[in-house]
Amino acid sequence: QKEVEQDPGPLSVPEGAIVSLNCTYSNSAFQYFMWYRQYSRKGPELLMYTYSSGNKEDGRFTAQVDKSSKYISLFIRDSQPSDSATYLCAMSAAGKLIFGQGTTLQVKP
Amino acid sequence: GAVVSQHPSWVICKSGTSVKIECRSLDFQATTMFWYRQFPKQSLMLMATSNEGSKATYEQGVEKDKFLINHASLTLSTLTVTSAHPEDSSFYICSAMGSTTDTQYFGPGTRLTVL
Repeated sequence: QKEVEQDPGPLSVPEGAIVSLNCTYSNSAFQYFMWYRQYSRKGPELLMYTYSSGNKEDGRFTAQVDKSSKYISLFIRDSQPSDSATYLCAMSAAGKLIFGQGTTLQVKP
Repeated sequence: GAVVSQHPSWVICKSGTSVKIECRSLDFQATTMFWYRQFPKQSLMLMATSNEGSKATYEQGVEKDKFLINHASLTLSTLTVTSAHPEDSSFYICSAMGSTTDTQYFGPGTRLTVL
């Protein structure tokens, strides 16, 4: 079993839809939870960073962490074609990041 | 936000040659830098962790004599792929982390093609 599980998709939605991306994990030692966005042939870009259970909102993005269920989510409201990318969840313990496989999202105009 | 650069952005080399990739933190001091490798449609796999002035710590299965890492200053780390072979062709990405945060900031990546 992988430490971090993420459905690779692809996920295709119409413009304006609410997108829900999820990851599950097995290691209770993970303390920090991140979401990165990666466009094709580019490095990952940090979107959200959280360290406690609950919700964190930043513009159209909301990150949700449920430590009791070992489950994290990223919600994108009013999705735009420019949101089309691969979204990677990542979790940190002892300074190392463990990534999920990444979910490919396509937002159609 | 923190900016990390990589050079070159892409490189093509002949089998048997060595290639050096630079990673720089432009607006902060990176006490720790990380090197990742990414194959098409796959996630990032950590290759090694380097702290300024120390030897790099390599992940299991990564050949330290093949992938030489140097972290000579708080803003620069280099990865040298020695005696490159076609199977070394990949997307190499570095990240940098400051001393007061657990957040890693990534460079734009370097695409290596070995002919």
